Amino acid sequence: QSVLTQPPSASGTPGQRVTISCSGSSSNIGSNYVYWYQQLPGTAPKLLIYRNNQRPSGVPDRFSGSKSGTSASLAISGLRSEDEADYYCAAWDDSLDWVFGGGTKLTVL
Amino acid sequence: EVQLVESGGGLVQPGGSLRLSCAASGFTVSSNYMSWVRQAPGKGLEWVSVIYSGGSTYYADSVKGRFTISRDNSKNTLYLQMNSLRAEDTAVYYCARDNEAAAGIGPWFDPWGQGTLVTVSS
Repeated sequence: QSVLTQPPSASGTPGQRVTISCSGSSSNIGSNYVYWYQQLPGTAPKLLIYRNNQRPSGVPDRFSGSKSGTSASLAISGLRSEDEADYYCAAWDDSLDWVFGGGTKLTVL
Repeated sequence: EVQLVESGGGLVQPGGSLRLSCAASGFTVSSNYMSWVRQAPGKGLEWVSVIYSGGSTYYADSVKGRFTISRDNSKNTLYLQMNSLRAEDTAVYYCARDNEAAAGIGPWFDPWGQGTLVTVSS
């Protein structure tokens, strides 16, 4: 059971906007930055969002992150077939660990 | 090009040992925070261990006392020595550089290696 809670699945049609939630507590999301990773099938994870809402160079602005209290969200606008992947949130936990969400499998219908 | 390449995975019996390697190119391992992250088959990501640039090491409770992270500066390589392996250690193991390079923040893991599969089974 993961420390950060994500819905196991999400879906949308091409062009649609989808959001993936990540719920934590005061010891992780509530007091620290949130990071988001995309994992395409059979590949290593790739950083999508760092420090709640910052995009590394090369990540399209269709991807955006936000945080409020002990929850965070990843939004994907203009959904494309190549966005079909697993998405993970992550944060530092004050118990001296990095913690991840259980992952959300995004299906593009 | 900044790159990480893991090796050393394989099939091992419960109670056995294995050492994973992570060879870096394009940057210096000893100047960075380096972590191991694992992913059990069909499951999510789990942080395993970190070595700071200063040499301090930390472990997830699930592997504390059994796994040891280290580095060889001359080879620019990160290692994970895994002892007393259990079935629940079966996973793909990734090494990654933490670009935040500070305690209490992150994880800004980039790049990642391609992963190496460890299977613990009799």
